[in-house]
Amino acid sequence: DIQMTQSPSSLSASVGDSVTITCQASHDISVSLNWYQQKPGKAPKLLIYDVSNLDTGVPSRFSGSGSGTDFTLTINSLQPEDIATYYCQHYNNVPQYIFGQGTKLEIK
Amino acid sequence: EVQLVESGGGLVQPGGSLRLSCAASGFTFSSYAMTWVRQAPGKGPEWVSVISGSGTMPYYADAVKGRFTISRDNSKNTLYLEMNSLRAEDTAIYYCAKSGIVLMMYPRRLDQWGQGTLVTVSS
Repeated sequence: DIQMTQSPSSLSASVGDSVTITCQASHDISVSLNWYQQKPGKAPKLLIYDVSNLDTGVPSRFSGSGSGTDFTLTINSLQPEDIATYYCQHYNNVPQYIFGQGTKLEIK
Repeated sequence: EVQLVESGGGLVQPGGSLRLSCAASGFTFSSYAMTWVRQAPGKGPEWVSVISGSGTMPYYADAVKGRFTISRDNSKNTLYLEMNSLRAEDTAIYYCAKSGIVLMMYPRRLDQWGQGTLVTVSS
């Protein structure tokens, strides 16, 4: 089975910083990779689909890149409202939907 | 506006059963595949099951296969999850989530989620 590994598991950054979260797949998954944002007590929210496409209404400071086994989520000019846990998620035609373990983002 | 409202969660003893519902509105329900995703306390999301818009070809995670049954009633715009032989490790918030692409048999992305319903399995 494919495993998705995120790093770091948590990070602390200041408002205005640029932040990068990585997600590594145990096998080549091409571009079948989404990112979700989850704020405390809320459901996950789709941020980016198919590696680099922003969902409707997602601010342009969010971006995604990668292919194969290595993927990144970047947040430019970090805002206080970006405090959340971020999850990568792989999908395939089995079908299966496999989430990473999450990266908790905090403000310094 | 898309709305997904889960219900049916609660406290159940190990070995017991529950039926979760997800009432959908704001979109053509039958045109979208739907999933159940759960999240144990302090853990990441875990996919549970998926069903196509027509209600055929359900699929399940290995952890629930043979114990859980997903179904839908398109006339009532409602998704269900029948959970039997519940175990302590099934304790989680259960979310229903909608496919982000119309008429695709299985989702490539989950673009709308409900608020979740808590299932606690404990004696």
